[in-house]
Amino acid sequence: AQSVTQPDIHITVSEGASLELRCNYSYGATPYLFWYVQSPGQGLQLLLKYFSGDTLVQGIKGFEAEFKRSQSSFNLRKPSVHWSDAAEYFCAVGGYADSGAGSYQLTFGKGTKLSVIP
Amino acid sequence: NAGVMQNPRHLVRRRGQEARLRCSPMKGHSHVYWYRQLPEEGLKFMVYLQKENIIDESGMPKERFSAEFPKEGPSILRIQQVVRGDSAAYFCASSPPSGRGEQYFGPGTRLTVT
Repeated sequence: AQSVTQPDIHITVSEGASLELRCNYSYGATPYLFWYVQSPGQGLQLLLKYFSGDTLVQGIKGFEAEFKRSQSSFNLRKPSVHWSDAAEYFCAVGGYADSGAGSYQLTFGKGTKLSVIP
Repeated sequence: NAGVMQNPRHLVRRRGQEARLRCSPMKGHSHVYWYRQLPEEGLKFMVYLQKENIIDESGMPKERFSAEFPKEGPSILRIQQVVRGDSAAYFCASSPPSGRGEQYFGPGTRLTVT
């Protein structure tokens, strides 16, 4: 069964500092990987996705993520954090479900809450 | 270019009542997924539907929960005889016909059972 681990529950960084959010996944084949961001009381916004090809993917809002197959990781990075980046970030893995139903259901990590100090 | 629409945004039900949550996918999207977000548990897949078909309901509780996506109209997640444990945020996501898991989420419906 596929799974996602986000080892950091809460991270605090200063505005302007760099950011790296960790994500490790477990999946039997080449995964489809995603990062989403959720502000309080809101839905999830897709930041970026990896399907295949270049292992460094660029997303919206200045975020990027690197797929490392050997480490089963897909860490999210941003060189300079803005106060508006404070939110909760979710890593997700998708692919054909083990049920064989042809469903691309997403399995999410439990999220990392980012706080930004002015 | 409207995104995924969900209504109502907030829903309060007493124990034993029924809850109906609606989801209209993005234009051109024919795949709908429902997820539930419980405090401390994160987002969990519930069901995957295409028009008039339930494709994967492996995440749905066996009782009281049902979903549909009719030929016309929104997808509906129905919870009968709600209990306090059903209080959660329910999110709908839609994906394009290629359906490789690239899903776009609605704002969610926050269900409170009193």
